Amino acid sequence: NAGVTQTPKFRILKIGQSMTLQCTQDMNHNYMYWYRQDPGMGLKLIYYSVGAGITDKGEVPNGYNVSRSTTEDFPLRLELAAPSQTSVYFCASSSTRVLGNTIYFGEGSWLTVV
Amino acid sequence: AQKITQTQPGMFVQEKEAVTLDCTYDTSDPSYGLFWYKQPSSGEMIFLIYQGSYDQQNATEGRYSLNFQKARKSANLVISASQLGDSAMYFCAIWNNDMRFGAGTRLTVKP
Repeated sequence: NAGVTQTPKFRILKIGQSMTLQCTQDMNHNYMYWYRQDPGMGLKLIYYSVGAGITDKGEVPNGYNVSRSTTEDFPLRLELAAPSQTSVYFCASSSTRVLGNTIYFGEGSWLTVV
Repeated sequence: AQKITQTQPGMFVQEKEAVTLDCTYDTSDPSYGLFWYKQPSSGEMIFLIYQGSYDQQNATEGRYSLNFQKARKSANLVISASQLGDSAMYFCAIWNNDMRFGAGTRLTVKP
């Protein structure tokens, strides 16, 4: 039972480089989310999607882009990496808007920008 | 947009005692959900308990209970009979089309 899978788990980027964090879920969930968690802090919502073809900005979207071409996949793109983007990134998914459905998280991706 | 606040950066509790972790929220939508997650040092997010805004009774899950006071907009987590394995970060979150998290409370259980 895979759940939410995100890759890579660890990555070091140089300033100005680009990369994509991959996220896929096998639970047929409509809702998908990307969060970042800075050391000792809570999770901040970057982007979310309520279904294929639909994405919306969260609290901290600057410097990131997302796409949702399929129900299963929700990649997060960093175009010009900056040290401020050093963080742990969590992808998550949940089913419909019906309350009571929990959010399922991936294991996190540790990103360091140097 | 909804907002969630956890005012206790750190808490200590003696093993086998109960502890309450505070959480307040703000939203203008009458329909929302409140969640608590545990994050151990390994980093994964573990779902603990859920409370819907229309639920009449406080949610309970084993040693976890949620003290939901809607008028005060608070959703405190109560952990009974604390165990050493309960030492972790605890996050309160509010859900309404997206999930917003509080800053977290680091709980340390002392033997």
